[in-house]
Amino acid sequence: GAGVSQSPSNKVTEKGKDVELRCDPISGHTALYWYRQSLGQGLEFLIYFQGNSAPDKSGLPSDRFSAERTGGSVSTLTIQRTQQEDSAVYLCASSFRTSGRGSSYEQYFGPGTRLTVT
Amino acid sequence: GQQVMQIPQYQHVQEGEDFTTYCNSSTTLSNIQWYKQRPGGHPVFLIQLVKSGEVKKQKRLTFQFGEAKKNSSLHITATQTTDVGTYFCAGPMNTGNQFYFGTGTSLTVIP
Repeated sequence: GAGVSQSPSNKVTEKGKDVELRCDPISGHTALYWYRQSLGQGLEFLIYFQGNSAPDKSGLPSDRFSAERTGGSVSTLTIQRTQQEDSAVYLCASSFRTSGRGSSYEQYFGPGTRLTVT
Repeated sequence: GQQVMQIPQYQHVQEGEDFTTYCNSSTTLSNIQWYKQRPGGHPVFLIQLVKSGEVKKQKRLTFQFGEAKKNSSLHITATQTTDVGTYFCAGPMNTGNQFYFGTGTSLTVIP
């Protein structure tokens, strides 16, 4: 079946512009995660959704970052007034659901969106 | 804040040598997952450990979860060039739904 898809695959934008990144999770997956990965670095947790709800937004780097999810499916990550330090690969992952009874679920990652802010 | 550290950051081995990466959390984890990211690719799930002291094997890979559930290790026996990539541990924090990834260990295998 289809995996997690993200669009665009690459985005080059000028400093100060807004960008919108899209994630299509695997059908039936209720949990969705956004991460940021800078070149040669680890994954930085940004936000997760259970259904359409994002219970904790504390991982978002600043108030320029926002995310939403509609219909329990597609999610968009919006970065307003982009800065050069926002340049990174933004990864989306989905899982059957979030954790329960001490166990978590395997996360399936999309190919990522490479964002370059000039 | 909560952190998940891995050592070493980089490891170069000759093909056939063994490799181990260690993962340490500042807090107790309910479970730990391991992912592999090939160069230019995205992370792919390898395994999950839930029980204290748990050991799981996948062919040449052996995964351990510490007794205190604050550390874990991945050991690869007789590395092959197909093992090249970055290995990440990851665990849920706080309410259990925020996932924090370790800093990763980049493995290079020299033929």
